Amino acid sequence: ELKVEQNPLFLSMQEGKNYTIYCNYSTTSDRLYWYRQDPGKSLESLFVLLSNGAVKQEGRLMASLDTKARLSTLHITAAVHDLSATYFCAVEIIGTASKLTFGTGTRLQVTL
Amino acid sequence: EPEVTQTPSHQVTQMGQEVILRCVPISNHLYFYWYRQILGQKVEFLVSFYNNEISEKSEIFDDQFSVERPDGSNFTLKIRSTKLEDSAMYFCASKGLAGYEQFFGPGTRLTVL
Repeated sequence: ELKVEQNPLFLSMQEGKNYTIYCNYSTTSDRLYWYRQDPGKSLESLFVLLSNGAVKQEGRLMASLDTKARLSTLHITAAVHDLSATYFCAVEIIGTASKLTFGTGTRLQVTL
Repeated sequence: EPEVTQTPSHQVTQMGQEVILRCVPISNHLYFYWYRQILGQKVEFLVSFYNNEISEKSEIFDDQFSVERPDGSNFTLKIRSTKLEDSAMYFCASKGLAGYEQFFGPGTRLTVL
């Protein structure tokens, strides 16, 4: 059974600081996704990582994928309060209607 | 921009009652999914649906659950006899034939009293 773990579960950081969220998964994966969720809201797609060594950046967020280590990272640069949310990674193993297996989530709180 | 829609946004029901949650996937998508998220927890896969049949279901998706695509646009999740532990946010998602990304709806918050 595929297991997806994130750490930390909760992260409080000051504005302007850098930090990394880690996503580990237990079996070979075909694709990895990062989502953002605001309280009471749906899942907003941030990144799709398709292959080993993939790196994607959008604003202050950068995601990378190491399939050999079964590890993805989400790096936050110079955090701002608007980034406060819960971040989930999700792993997909391709099949007919491939499901997503989500990580435990990391609740990020950026303080002034 | 096309989007997945869900109704209702919030449903309150008594334990033992049947509920139907509705989703309208993006119009040219062929793969459909239901996920749920208990408050404060991770998102869990329930079921996937393709070509008018279930492709895969999780252990959560027991005999109390069913899905249907009654017409060309709606995709429904029925819970036959709700339990307290069914209280959660339920998300519908859809995916196109050519693409790989699943697009999520806004969710239905189900509260079972």
